[in-house]
Amino acid sequence: SAVISQKPSRDICQRGTSLTIQCQVDSQVTMMFWYRQQPGQSLTLIATANQGSEATYESGFVIDKFPISRPNLTFSTLTVSNMSPEDSSIYLCSVDPTGGAYEQYFGPGTRLTVT
Amino acid sequence: AQTVTQSQPEMSVQEAETVTLSCTYDTSESDYYLFWYKQPPSRQMILVIRQEAYKQQNATENRFSVNFQKAAKSFSLKISDSQLGDAAMYFCAYRSAPWFGGKLIFGQGTELSVKP
Repeated sequence: SAVISQKPSRDICQRGTSLTIQCQVDSQVTMMFWYRQQPGQSLTLIATANQGSEATYESGFVIDKFPISRPNLTFSTLTVSNMSPEDSSIYLCSVDPTGGAYEQYFGPGTRLTVT
Repeated sequence: AQTVTQSQPEMSVQEAETVTLSCTYDTSESDYYLFWYKQPPSRQMILVIRQEAYKQQNATENRFSVNFQKAAKSFSLKISDSQLGDAAMYFCAYRSAPWFGGKLIFGQGTELSVKP
């Protein structure tokens, strides 16, 4: 398993601004993922962030809106840019310590409210 | 594309009773993994149980067990001796094998309430 922390745990932001969410893992992992969970909804994958390569974005998500950094094997950031109220969601990072074969472990999430 | 469907938005169970949550999925792949995750109000996603598609035996973790029907593409979760702490949102999830991309796809979730 893996212990994952996220900062901030929650934030209230004004529209038009940007927020960077940090994800820290207690062990080195190859695969990290970012998810969005809109109010009352399920989780949707935003992108896969592997160290040493560009993040891979899912359909409907673009790098200009959700830039991701992965500087090493224990850390990643997701930025939500030029925010609008529609970006109000929980953002979760997850990791796969096994390299793609089994379960993913999730961080506690960041609750973002855009006013 | 793979899809996961949970047809029960809400379920309720009496404490100490047994409840079954349903999940069906659609895929053309032969190798994959299935999971049940629990999300309590704290919003922390917690892995409950996992099933490899190539295993015929149903997975069991203490009070949690699954009924995996590969041909029917069904993957239900049974919770025995329900406890108040089991109250949460439960998500069924499908993951492709690594050579197919390894993406994790979630169902819509089932909100489980436990009555004392």
